[in-house]
Amino acid sequence: DGGITQSPKYLFRKEGQNVTLSCEQNLNHDAMYWYRQDPGQGLRLIYYSQIVNDFQKGDIAEGYSVSREKKESFPLTVTSAQKNPTAFYLCASSTLWGGTSLSSYNEQFFGPGTRLTVL
Amino acid sequence: GQQLNQSPQSMFIQEGEDVSMNCTSSSIFNTWLWYKQDPGEGPVLLIALYKAGELTSNGRLTAQFGITRKDSFLNISASIPSDVGIYFCAGLNRDDKIIFGKGTRLHILP
Repeated sequence: DGGITQSPKYLFRKEGQNVTLSCEQNLNHDAMYWYRQDPGQGLRLIYYSQIVNDFQKGDIAEGYSVSREKKESFPLTVTSAQKNPTAFYLCASSTLWGGTSLSSYNEQFFGPGTRLTVL
Repeated sequence: GQQLNQSPQSMFIQEGEDVSMNCTSSSIFNTWLWYKQDPGEGPVLLIALYKAGELTSNGRLTAQFGITRKDSFLNISASIPSDVGIYFCAGLNRDDKIIFGKGTRLHILP
């Protein structure tokens, strides 16, 4: 089945440790995204990648890093520099970067999320 | 930056009731989107709207793209237990960037 997988579902880390969240898609999508979701908040964009070996900062990139070495994979590292890392992290992908193509939305498909808790 | 004001923040309704929620902004958007998020899962797209004034239905869901391009609403008719979740509006601005609202959490009372 095609889709997006994120692992692990729940992650605990000690303060001061880096941690990497996995995101894999087999939809053959060019674009991938990382969002952060806090209680009562909308989704905020951390990083996005339009194509392999390219990525751009989103609205809240400080304290995070990414890589895009393969089309199907877009791992996110939460570094110790991220001051408040406890949150729900969502990965998404779309056929192409950009909102619309030929008057239709380049739908972003979301993974099931990883809940990160810093102890 | 651009913001979407989504209301209400939460709703408690009886099964079978109709639901209405809306999203407003001081900025113009080219496309409006409505997503639903089940607990512990990622959001799923419900409806996409592309033209001002457009009214689109998807089963019991109906959404409209406001004439001013600064607002949108979502209605759910005859709610059922599986409608529980968080509903997000989102807008695409002229830079093709998606801006999400903070969500409306729908609770259905037994």
